[in-house]
Amino acid sequence: ETGVTQSPTHLIKTRGQQVTLRCSSQSGHNTVSWYQQALGQGPQFIFQYYREEENGRGNFPPRFSGLQFPNYSSELNVNALELDDSALYLCASSRGTPNSPLHFGNGTRLTVT
Amino acid sequence: AQSVTQLDSQVPVFEEAPVELRCNYSSSVSVYLFWYVQYPNQGLQLLLKYLSGSTLVKGINGFEAEFNKSQTSFHLRKPSVHISDTAEYFCAVCSDSGYSTLTFGKGTMLLVSP
Repeated sequence: ETGVTQSPTHLIKTRGQQVTLRCSSQSGHNTVSWYQQALGQGPQFIFQYYREEENGRGNFPPRFSGLQFPNYSSELNVNALELDDSALYLCASSRGTPNSPLHFGNGTRLTVT
Repeated sequence: AQSVTQLDSQVPVFEEAPVELRCNYSSSVSVYLFWYVQYPNQGLQLLLKYLSGSTLVKGINGFEAEFNKSQTSFHLRKPSVHISDTAEYFCAVCSDSGYSTLTFGKGTMLLVSP
C-alpha cells in the first residue's frame, strides 16, 4: 500500500512569487486535506477536497487555492507569497468516511525570503 | 468551533519512567479526539483515536489515552518511555459531523533522556 507522497520536500521562494505543491494520496483514498504548520505550532487546516470538489475551508485568504484530480492527487497553489507563508505544508488523505483516519505525508518545507 | 489546549510545551522525562501529556478541548458539539506523533522532518502519524464507546483508548507503541467528558480532557499516557519516544505529540479534535477536519493543539515536545 503506497502512502501519501508530497513533492517537493523543500522549496525556497521570494516574496511575491507563486508556488505549487503536489500530493499523491494513498491508494483507495478519495479525500485530501491540506494543513499549514508554522514553526513551533500545530497544523492549521487550509482546505479539503472530496471527489475533486472543495468541501471545507479554514481561515486562509483566497490566494491559497487547490485542485484535486480524477486520480485523487492534489495541488496546493499559493499566490503572492508573503514571509509568513514560510511553513511546513502537510497533505493528508483519507477514505472520507466516518472512522477513516487521516494519513499524512512528510510535508513540503516552504521558505519565503 | 473547537479548540485544543496542550498545557505543556515540553515534557522532559527519564527513560523507563511513566509520562502523561495533557490535552483539554473546547467544543459546543460532540467531538472525536486524536493523538498524533511527529518525528523530526516527518509528517504526523496517528497514535490513537476516540470515536465512541470505552473512554480508555489504547494505541500504538504502548500509548493509551482516557476521554473525560466532564473535564473535557483527553490525556495521553505511557507507563514506561523509551529514547525512541522522543518526538512532538499533537492532540486534535473534530466534530462528529466533520470527521476529516482536525483542529490541532500547539504540541508537546516529549524529551526522553537516558
